[in-house]
Amino acid sequence: AQSVTQPDIHITVSEGASLELRCNYSYGATPYLFWYVQSPGQGLQLLLKYFSGDTLVQGIKGFEAEFKRSQSSFNLRKPSVHWSDAAEYFCAVGASGGSYIPTFGRGTSLIVHP
Amino acid sequence: DAGVIQSPRHEVTEMGQEVTLRCKLISGHNSLFWYRQTMMRGLELLIYFNNNVPIDDSGMPEDRFSAKMPNASFSTLKIQPSEPRDSAVYFCASSPPRATGWNTGELFFGEGSRLTVL
Repeated sequence: AQSVTQPDIHITVSEGASLELRCNYSYGATPYLFWYVQSPGQGLQLLLKYFSGDTLVQGIKGFEAEFKRSQSSFNLRKPSVHWSDAAEYFCAVGASGGSYIPTFGRGTSLIVHP
Repeated sequence: DAGVIQSPRHEVTEMGQEVTLRCKLISGHNSLFWYRQTMMRGLELLIYFNNNVPIDDSGMPEDRFSAKMPNASFSTLKIQPSEPRDSAVYFCASSPPRATGWNTGELFFGEGSRLTVL
């Protein structure tokens, strides 16, 4: 069975600082990996995805993530955080064959200080 | 383009009442997911449809929950009778097809239906 761990429940950063949100997954084969963002009162929005190829993937809103197979990780990064980035971030893993049913982590809440 | 549309956005009901949540998929999408979100349990998959057929309903809590997909663009999630522990935000998400007919894994979420059962 696939699973996702987001070790940080909350992360606080100052506006303009860099950001890294951690994600570790468990899956026996090559996974499909996703990051989603959820603003208060909203549904989840896809930030970026990794299916294959280049292990550094670019997403929307200036985010990027790097797939590291040896560490079973897919960490999300942004070089300079804006106050509008404050939200809940979810990492998800999906099986790489057949039907993709994503399993979501518990989420990391990002707090941005001015 | 219209996204996934859920209704109602908010529902307050009393224990024992029937609740029906509705979801309209994005045109052209062939997979439909119902998730439940709570502080205690996070995002839980309730049921997954592909081409109108339920593929995985192992997350449906019990017989009080049922989901249907009468056509390619619409789904309902029904709780009968409702209980206070069903209080949560229920999300519907759709996904476009791959060449194989399965979904791409990219989910497009609605804004959710917040259910409160008193």
